[in-house]
Amino acid sequence: EDQVTQSPEALRLQEGESSSLNCSYTVSGLRGLFWYRQDPGKGPEFLFTLYSAGEEKEKERLKATLTKKESFLHITAPKPEDSATYLCAVQPDYGGSQGNLIFGKGTKLSVKP
Amino acid sequence: DGGITQSPKYLFRKEGQNVTLSCEQNLNHDAMYWYRQDPGQGLRLIYYSQIVNDFQKGDIAEGYSVSREKKESFPLTVTSAQKNPTAFYLCASSITRVSNQPQHFGDGTRLSIL
Repeated sequence: EDQVTQSPEALRLQEGESSSLNCSYTVSGLRGLFWYRQDPGKGPEFLFTLYSAGEEKEKERLKATLTKKESFLHITAPKPEDSATYLCAVQPDYGGSQGNLIFGKGTKLSVKP
Repeated sequence: DGGITQSPKYLFRKEGQNVTLSCEQNLNHDAMYWYRQDPGQGLRLIYYSQIVNDFQKGDIAEGYSVSREKKESFPLTVTSAQKNPTAFYLCASSITRVSNQPQHFGDGTRLSIL
């Protein structure tokens, strides 16, 4: 069964304390992996797309990496404004046919000043 | 600015009532989607549409209906057959469904039962 698991469920950091969020996935084939940020009461905001193992993307304090089984979202020297829920979604490939996005449950990040 | 507009932000439903959630996009995207978000769960796909006048059921379509008469608009009706409608509903769009391009989301409608 296709599955996306995010860990930890919640993460509390002090401002400046770097850490990583994990997204592990089980799909027969991968079309793409997407990271989103969601603030309370808002829709998810797109951050990154990763397509193949070894790929990395960066944006400000965030860096996303991808292996064959998981993706990491690294947060370097976080600030309180980075507090949000981070969602991971996987787009499966079924023998050349694209599947619908499968979302993880998210990691709620809190950064204290 | 291009984007996705969902309305209303909050909606209340009475027993036996159908309610319709609005979703409009000005991104010129072909594909549109409706998701449901419940606490502690990942987003679940209700319906999607790849082109005008065409739509497909997602994983949890029972109790919901949609239409796609215009490229910009993809309204969702929550019918009285949906017995547990309280949730946060998110509309999304992408350039096409098969392009591997990311989906972009509106700011959601929160539906509650009176």
